Amino acid sequence: RKEVEQDPGPFNVPEGATVAFNCTYSNSASQSFFWYRQDCRKEPKLLMSVYSSGNEDGRFTAQLNRASQYISLLIRDSKLSDSATYLCAVNQGGNTPLVFGKGTRLSVIA
Amino acid sequence: NAGVTQTPKFRILKIGQSMTLQCTQDMNHNYMYWYRQDPGMGLKLIYYSVGAGITDKGEVPNGYNVSRSTTEDFPLRLELAAPSQTSVYFCASSGTEGGYTFGSGTRLTVV
Repeated sequence: RKEVEQDPGPFNVPEGATVAFNCTYSNSASQSFFWYRQDCRKEPKLLMSVYSSGNEDGRFTAQLNRASQYISLLIRDSKLSDSATYLCAVNQGGNTPLVFGKGTRLSVIA
Repeated sequence: NAGVTQTPKFRILKIGQSMTLQCTQDMNHNYMYWYRQDPGMGLKLIYYSVGAGITDKGEVPNGYNVSRSTTEDFPLRLELAAPSQTSVYFCASSGTEGGYTFGSGTRLTVV
């Protein structure tokens, strides 16, 4: 089993839709969790950290399920500008290196 | 406020040539990382550093070397370039909060 796994997609959704991605991790010692956004031919940019109690940033909600070892990202009211690849990343706490998933591609269609 | 700066942005190398990918950060971060990203693949860790003078191997270190003589700079050296090293290389740094700031990447082709 790969350390961090994501459905590669693509997820093609209409504007205004709600879409959710999951990311599973295999190392139960994982402590820190992040979602990154990567536009085509650009560097990844931090979208949000994922906290144990779940957290929200505008239209984006991140959740952590330690029992089942997955994190999720929910995007409400999708915009065309949300089209990108979403990478999840985990580490074992502190500044131990992040392990990245391969990413999930999202296309929001007018 | 430059963040993480990588040079060059693009490079074509011939098999067997060598080069250094430069990475500089101005955020006074102790932690720096080099990843490579192949098409359709995730980011794979090559080397990382927890501070000046300290480096450690990641998942795919073969064919690469690094040094960290200052907090700001973390160059990646390719010796004897091979076609398998064709990739996009990203440098990143992080502070105490753990989230990374990435440079804009170096697209390397080995022919």
